Amino acid sequence: GENVEQHPSTLSVQEGDSAVIKCTYSDSASNYFPWYKQELGKRPQLIIDIRSNVGEKKDQRIAVTLNKTAKHFSLHITETQPEDSAVYFCAASIKDNYGQNFVFGPGTRLSVLP
Amino acid sequence: ETGVTQTPRHLVMGMTNKKSLKCEQHLGHNAMYWYKQSAKKPLELMFVYNFKEQTENNSVPSRFSPECPNSSHLFLHLHTLQPEDSALYLCASSQTGGFTDTQYFGPGTRLTVL
Repeated sequence: GENVEQHPSTLSVQEGDSAVIKCTYSDSASNYFPWYKQELGKRPQLIIDIRSNVGEKKDQRIAVTLNKTAKHFSLHITETQPEDSAVYFCAASIKDNYGQNFVFGPGTRLSVLP
Repeated sequence: ETGVTQTPRHLVMGMTNKKSLKCEQHLGHNAMYWYKQSAKKPLELMFVYNFKEQTENNSVPSRFSPECPNSSHLFLHLHTLQPEDSALYLCASSQTGGFTDTQYFGPGTRLTVL
């Protein structure tokens, strides 16, 4: 089945610097890759996603890139702010006999230091 | 039937109508979810049920009313909707309510509010 790995598990950056989180997946049939942000005590919220027919997508300070050949995708946060501190999860969608489903990475704890 | 099924697949309703969306999972899972996917927006989690108990309500307007009579069935009752509620409504299930549990999605109901 699909396996999603995520690195690093923890990341500390200075306010204003950039942060990059990388994920790899194993199933070449995966075609949808969402990223979630989970703040302390809250449920994860979807922040950006990308489909396999697109190589890059940007939304203000957040961008996601996808390399289908290498089967990896990355989250880029520029000009980080303290409120970006959270746990970030990547996911990959796969289809099996039961339909479409998502497999999530283990998460990256991002700390933005003022 | 296997996996997660949703009915109807398409629904057009007026702002004063009352309708219900139905979701059924045949996977023996204990958690079920409602998501909303609007045009050009990522998935938004609306409700989570775990063992028939609602464990999450992501500030969804009261014109959306979920019902989970058992672990296999989930309904979304709609009344006095607004045109901006037009979207694809996706149901999902997972073995438990854990976030990193693989979620299996239904095909969705395409809702248009006139």
